[in-house]
This record gives sequence, C-alpha cells and structure tokens, in this order.
Amino acid sequence: DQQVKQNSPSLSVQEGRISILNCDYTNSMFDYFLWYKKYPAEGPTFLISISSIKDKNEDGRFTVFLNKSAKHLSLHIVPSQPGDSAVYFCAASAFGNQFYFGTGTSLTVIP
Amino acid sequence: KAGVTQTPRYLIKTRGQQVTLSCSPISGHRSVSWYQQTPGQGLQFLFEYFSETQRNKGNFPGRFSGRQFSNSRSEMNVSTLELGDSALYLCASSRSGGDGYTFGSGTRLTVV
Repeated sequence: DQQVKQNSPSLSVQEGRISILNCDYTNSMFDYFLWYKKYPAEGPTFLISISSIKDKNEDGRFTVFLNKSAKHLSLHIVPSQPGDSAVYFCAASAFGNQFYFGTGTSLTVIP
Repeated sequence: KAGVTQTPRYLIKTRGQQVTLSCSPISGHRSVSWYQQTPGQGLQFLFEYFSETQRNKGNFPGRFSGRQFSNSRSEMNVSTLELGDSALYLCASSRSGGDGYTFGSGTRLTVV
C-alpha cells in the first residue's frame, strides 16, 4: 500500500526553465513532508521540508507547495541547472513516526 | 562532522545465505532507520531503532531483523537470502526520528 506516490517516473527540463515535481499522499494524518535528492551511488540528501501548518516553504531556488485538501505537494526548482539532474523523493510522516517515501522522479536538466 | 557510515558498500551473496549490514550514525543521533531501495519501488521502510529499541517496523518478513547497540550503531540481518532481496539498503539517522534523516551511501546487496 503506497501511501506516498510520485506518478511521474521521469521528467526532462531545459536548463533555466522551471522544474515541477509532484507528489500525492493518501494519509490525512501526515503532518511533515520532506524532499530528498539522490545521485547515483550516493545516499539521498535532504533538500527541503514543510510542515502541515504551512502551504509554502522556500529555500533559494527550491520551493515546496503543500495543498492539504488535495493531499498534494510539489517541488519547484527555478531556474533548473544541469547539476539538479538526480532522482527526487518526497517523504511524509505523521506525529514524528517513520517516513514513507515515494518511488522517486528522475529529473534530467538539459543544457 | 562525520556522516552516516554504512559498511560494506557492496556485497554479493548466494541464495540461502545470510548477511549482516552495519550502520554507524552521526554522533549524537539516537534514531536509526533502515530502508530498502529497489527500482520502481522507491524506499521501503524496514524498521527504526531508538535507544536500542525497535520503535517502528515496516511490512517485511521476519527474515529481516535488526538491532541497535548502546553507542547507537545499528546492524541489519537478512537470513535465508532470496534473489528478490537484491537491492540498495540505506541507513538513515536522526536525533529523534521525526525531524528528518541523514542517509548513508548505502550497501548494494546482490543475491545470486
């Protein structure tokens, strides 16, 4: 039972344009969400988080949007850079318990 | 500060064997979680240990087990290996478990 879903396995974007990665979840009790970035042969690295009391969090080129009623979050990367090419995972947890991860979206930024 | 260290990085085992993977968390982190990553399945939660106690467990068979030592280092054991156990096993540590993880580079297990 996949509680966190990333329905797009891959995404290609031109350098300088916006990348939008989407994530849907089913558990309305989730109250904390994270995005991780993973390069091949490395572990995922933390990118940005958002708590359910907010609907937006921004950190430099990265912005995460949370729509609680739709149980949907998205990560926007503007402008996209070739170094952003990686697999992106969203993750969610409820009440400080374990995180549930999506299946990942492979982003390719074309120079 | 040193990151999360997983050993070994690569492992090849045959079906039926058992394997033990090791994880040393960041100093001061008491929560250690283990995940299995396979293509198309994302990161599947195995279990979490906090202060030497298993606090959460995912939906994996009993062949998958773990433990945590008093210095917060953790080991994961898989017995009676199956071909489908081939995956990247990731360990992640955090101070309390609910505040986000720092991942290790993983152990790539291949079962032949």
